[in-house]
Amino acid sequence: QSALTQPRSVSGSPGQSVTISCTGTSSDVGGYNYVSWYQQHPGKAPKLMIYDVSKRPSGVPDRFSGSKSGNTASLTISGLQAEDEADYYCCSYAGSYSWVFGGGTKLTVL
Amino acid sequence: QVQLVQSGAEVKKPGASVKVSCKASGYTFTSYGISWVRQAPGQGLEWMGWISAYNGNTNYAQKLQGRVTMTTDTSTSTAYMELRSLRSDDTAVYYCARSVVVPAAPFDYWGQGTLVTVSS
Repeated sequence: QSALTQPRSVSGSPGQSVTISCTGTSSDVGGYNYVSWYQQHPGKAPKLMIYDVSKRPSGVPDRFSGSKSGNTASLTISGLQAEDEADYYCCSYAGSYSWVFGGGTKLTVL
Repeated sequence: QVQLVQSGAEVKKPGASVKVSCKASGYTFTSYGISWVRQAPGQGLEWMGWISAYNGNTNYAQKLQGRVTMTTDTSTSTAYMELRSLRSDDTAVYYCARSVVVPAAPFDYWGQGTLVTVSS
């Protein structure tokens, strides 16, 4: 199972919006509506931000949204804030209780 | 509150084995599965495998088949991950993460991570 493809880095100014893409195949992203996104600050464990492509867990701000088209999923963060600066990982279900992660994207808030 | 508390850092020599524990509290252990995810220094997340705490069913990442074993002890609500024949590229932070025992459930709670260093 190959890792999903994410841009190495994205950046934006406070208040702006950024979108992070996550490209897989028909065996993972394209085959299931089970893409999740995780935020990881340095030295910390990942935190679930989006699941089932576009659902937000309780407590996650509605500035975070997710979508999918074909084999590519996207995470959009609107109204960027300084605390959003972190690494973001997509993850897709790949069938039979297996999952695959993306390579990660470093978000810099300028 | 839900907590996953992992065992402490380990230093191992190449060829040795390591066993990391993940003690769960604050929820019904057998209603969830546990995945193990590792992160090499400066690298991304890698899913290693999953175990159902309900019935012990497992699924391992193909690249680790034969070297990894995941188990649970329902009497103590603890999950274990053993990795054998350690190599230097197994040096990583190892995380346990919880998901509901249904296909495709997301990882909603994570342990704090356990650093495993493989060095001669």
